[in-house]
Amino acid sequence: DSGVTQTPKHLITATGQRVTLRCSPRSGDLSVYWYQQSLDQGLQFLIQYYNGEERAKGNILERFSAQQFPDLHSELNLSSLELGDSALYFCASSADSGRAGETQYFGPGTRLLVL
Amino acid sequence: GENVEQHPSTLSVQEGDSAVIKCTYSDSASNYFPWYKQELGKRPQLIIDIRSNVGEKKDQRIAVTLNKTAKHFSLHITETQPEDSAVYFCAASIWNAGNMLTFGGGTRLMVKP
Repeated sequence: DSGVTQTPKHLITATGQRVTLRCSPRSGDLSVYWYQQSLDQGLQFLIQYYNGEERAKGNILERFSAQQFPDLHSELNLSSLELGDSALYFCASSADSGRAGETQYFGPGTRLLVL
Repeated sequence: GENVEQHPSTLSVQEGDSAVIKCTYSDSASNYFPWYKQELGKRPQLIIDIRSNVGEKKDQRIAVTLNKTAKHFSLHITETQPEDSAVYFCAASIWNAGNMLTFGGGTRLMVKP
């Protein structure tokens, strides 16, 4: 168990719908990262939040958005869902205290299926 | 942006043999290189990592080497066991520029008993 929790574990929805994925980082970790894992694109970085502020953006679609709350949990919002959004969505956290290359710990993931 | 290539995509070895997975990266500013193991349907789990000020790191049966000049790094697993069977991902990041990970495409390792 990495200490990172994600809910829900599975999500089945229809095209055009909107869903929210939730992540709680390890205790004390300030940074949260979201990654998407699909069969054709592999593991791709979406977005990072650090202590409530957006720090970095990757290949995140405009239909997707995220935020990090004062208690440091994060939510990833996916809207106008398409079939191609079906994937495993992982959240990871790290202390990000400024030391070189701090470990990112991954949560168990949310498996999204868009029908 | 950073691009990480990983080879081979699949690797089959006999139990007890060694396995080597290689990765190359494009951004010379990358300075942190972790390796993750992912079992089917599970989370990626860090197995070893190396920072750019180190050329080699070993942890029991697992070792990683880094060649900054050539911009490549490799994972070596010795005395492979069936429980080593999984997908392995290499990654690269720039720790003082967000630390987001750019992953290689993954290697499916199969260890035959």
